[in-house]
Amino acid sequence: GQQVMQIPQYQHVQEGEDFTTYCNSSTTLSNIQWYKQRPGGHPVFLIQLVKSGEVKKQKRLTFQFGEAKKNSSLHITATQTTDVGTYFCAGGDTDKLIFGTGTRLQVFP
Amino acid sequence: DVKVTQSSRYLVKRTGEKVFLECVQDMDHENMFWYRQDPGLGLRLIYFSYDVKMKEKGDIPEGYSVSREKKERFSLILESASTNQTSMYLCASRKQGNYGYTFGSGTRLTVV
Repeated sequence: GQQVMQIPQYQHVQEGEDFTTYCNSSTTLSNIQWYKQRPGGHPVFLIQLVKSGEVKKQKRLTFQFGEAKKNSSLHITATQTTDVGTYFCAGGDTDKLIFGTGTRLQVFP
Repeated sequence: DVKVTQSSRYLVKRTGEKVFLECVQDMDHENMFWYRQDPGLGLRLIYFSYDVKMKEKGDIPEGYSVSREKKERFSLILESASTNQTSMYLCASRKQGNYGYTFGSGTRLTVV
């Protein structure tokens, strides 16, 4: 079946450093979504990418969808302690999303 | 503020019990989903529903069933709870089509 892999599993950074998480699918995706889950919380929708090669920005967050629509990345510039949490990508097919395993980000002040 | 509400935040049940997890959304969304979340495994889809009375198996449906008698309510049923069903259960809903999911706060179920 379809699988969505995410790396790294954990990332510890100093506040102010950049952070990137990568998402790879075994099949071509119709869209990719990104979610953030704060410690003790539930996943919250951040953004959706649909087009091949698409790049979207939300303040310090940059999201990319690969040309082949099989991979994606989330880059955070100059991390802050409020960025702490687990970031999930989720690949869409016509019915439902398949979630990646997530990248847990820890930011040290 | 739109919401997905799960009936219990924490639940402790005994092995063999029948367990009902309830989820209600107030957004008139067609699609609803049940996931379980375990450390290192991410979110795995148990069942989903396109609309009222409809249900589809996800990736790990064994040991679970669902009910969607009304559009706003999607129930997950553990027919005979087992210790390997100890997990965080997350309900989500979305409008029909390629839209983001809105998740509930989750139910942490412990089966002893």
